[in-house]
Amino acid sequence: EVQLLESGGGLVQPGGSLRLSCAASGFTFSSYPMSWVRQAPGKGLEWVSSIVGSGASTYYADSVKGRFTISRDNSKNTLYLQINSLRAEDTAVYYCAQGGWGYSLDYWGQGTLVTVSS
Amino acid sequence: EIVLTQSPGSLSLSPGERATLSCRASQSVSSSYLAWYQQKPGQAPRLLIYGASSRVTGIPDRFSGSGSGTDFTLAISRLEPEDFAVYYCQQYGTSLITFGQGTRLEIK
Repeated sequence: EVQLLESGGGLVQPGGSLRLSCAASGFTFSSYPMSWVRQAPGKGLEWVSSIVGSGASTYYADSVKGRFTISRDNSKNTLYLQINSLRAEDTAVYYCAQGGWGYSLDYWGQGTLVTVSS
Repeated sequence: EIVLTQSPGSLSLSPGERATLSCRASQSVSSSYLAWYQQKPGQAPRLLIYGASSRVTGIPDRFSGSGSGTDFTLAISRLEPEDFAVYYCQQYGTSLITFGQGTRLEIK
């Protein structure tokens, strides 16, 4: 059974940083691209970033480029999202999902809430 | 960036009725890399349809996807109470993945 478990969310002040993690199990992690998708309160889904299986290529939405960094550790079956220079508009539930460019998002974690507020 | 526009924004129907949801892309979606997701309150999205028309294993056959190029449709043939939710289309044919804004399917 595929499982994705996010962690690392919380309350952070504007300008602050967080690192989100997503622990994966139930599939060959290194064989799949992975993505982060976020959802602001009461709003729709917004793709944030994707990374290929090897980690060699990464992709970002314009809204986060230069502030967010996606990475993965295939030896630990874990996906990361380093989020810096946080703004109020980054407040959202952040989901990790299996899939990316050329692949549908087949499995999703339960999400982790990031709240940016002073 | 491919912009996806879903219509209608909300749809009010009764159980047993047929629902038709539309997703229009600003440019052609490569290789029909178009998916549909269902999201219920407090839950993560769930993949229903990929490749525009392929149903995920375990999804009831009352759900069907169709379309190509820039026009795609999700149809639900006979609405069940558990089908009332928000539905999103998504294209994954480019490195910049995009979602539609969603269609809220409500019980009439």
